[in-house]
Amino acid sequence: DAGITQSPRHKVTETGTPVTLRCHQTENHRYMYWYRQDPGHGLRLIHYSYGVKDTDKGEVSDGYSVSRSKTEDFLLTLESATSSQTSVYFCAISEAGWEAFFGQGTRLTVV
Amino acid sequence: DQQVKQNSPSLSVQEGRISILNCDYTNSMFDYFLWYKKYPAEGPTFLISISSIKDKNEDGRFTVFLNKSAKHLSLHIVPSQPGDSAVYFCAASAASGGSYIPTFGRGTSLIVHP
Repeated sequence: DAGITQSPRHKVTETGTPVTLRCHQTENHRYMYWYRQDPGHGLRLIHYSYGVKDTDKGEVSDGYSVSRSKTEDFLLTLESATSSQTSVYFCAISEAGWEAFFGQGTRLTVV
Repeated sequence: DQQVKQNSPSLSVQEGRISILNCDYTNSMFDYFLWYKKYPAEGPTFLISISSIKDKNEDGRFTVFLNKSAKHLSLHIVPSQPGDSAVYFCAASAASGGSYIPTFGRGTSLIVHP
């Protein structure tokens, strides 16, 4: 299995609070992605990175920001969490942008 | 608007029979297609892929067919096993500034009955 770890695995937070999810890889892969999975919507891309300090927006980026200061870490921040951001978040990594390896997911509940 | 569509939310198949999962896409720039399998409470795992220069790719019990003119691909599982019960995601990607960003369908839940 690819070395990819998400933390935390579960989190409950209150509306309006900031939240940061972490994705850590040990594979030295160039590409890292954040997706969210919601019933009826499949996997939707939030942000992605193609190198250190190189990031770009995905399909559902509003309300999210990311940072990648090291190859191995990709952080997803919800600046002010809303109930619509309750979801399961998956980080994925890819070397050449082809097959991606996914983490176990983070279940975030905003109350 | 959805660029990758999996129009069947669920599929039920008897063990030993063939499972056929379908996927349609609208973006003619897509040139690489992938299938992922996802069990509950786990992340998706890569299953099989196909490049647009091919029309078929086989890996054991799994075969993916690509019909570029119809913008359609399908995943065949033969024979189906109860352990294949999972959600299957179709994904497609196209070169964008040199990087490939997979776009996913909404998934098809496959149930294989013993």
